[in-house]
Amino acid sequence: AQSVAQPEDQVNVAEGNPLTVKCTYSVSGNPYLFWYVQYPNRGLQFLLKYITGDNLVKGSYGFEAEFNKSQTSFHLKKPSALVSDSALYFCAVTPRSSASKIIFGSGTRLSIRP
Amino acid sequence: NAGVTQTPKFQVLKTGQSMTLQCAQDMNHEYMSWYRQDPGMGLRLIHYSVGAGITDQGEVPNGYNVSRSTTEDFPLRLLSAAPSQTSVYFCASILAGDSSYNEQFFGPGTRLTVL
Repeated sequence: AQSVAQPEDQVNVAEGNPLTVKCTYSVSGNPYLFWYVQYPNRGLQFLLKYITGDNLVKGSYGFEAEFNKSQTSFHLKKPSALVSDSALYFCAVTPRSSASKIIFGSGTRLSIRP
Repeated sequence: NAGVTQTPKFQVLKTGQSMTLQCAQDMNHEYMSWYRQDPGMGLRLIHYSVGAGITDQGEVPNGYNVSRSTTEDFPLRLLSAAPSQTSVYFCASILAGDSSYNEQFFGPGTRLTVL
């Protein structure tokens, strides 16, 4: 069965330190990969996506993600965390065949302490 | 553009009651979908539509109906509410009909409690 795993329910980082939120997937073919962020009582917002090309993708708010085909991973990163980055982060994967088959991970809560 | 709008923001129902969650988008997006979000389970697809007049089931369609009479609107109907349907519901849209590389635009959500 196709799946997306976010192995950490919560990630705690001190402000100013680098952060990583992990995502691995098990989807056939060469899927498209996405990261979304959800702030409290809000809908999800798009952060970045990987379609093809450079394995390092840059997105909104200083976030970037590294695609690793051999490890089927798409980890979200930021060099220097801000308290305002505290939110719920979702990895999502879509097979190239259809947007209707998008699969979301269970989410990782990122907490940045001052 | 208002983007994706949802009404109501909050709703409390009694078991067995029916209701419709409204979703509208003003971006002329062809693809629209409904998700439910439950703690620790991410988002699960309920129903989706690739265009006006076309709908299909997602991962968890039981107990829900949808219709798509216009490009803009995609209401979700709960036929006979059950406590298991207590959740936060999100509507989303994508620019192209079946273009899997476009990002989704989400509404603000409807928090539903079924007693």
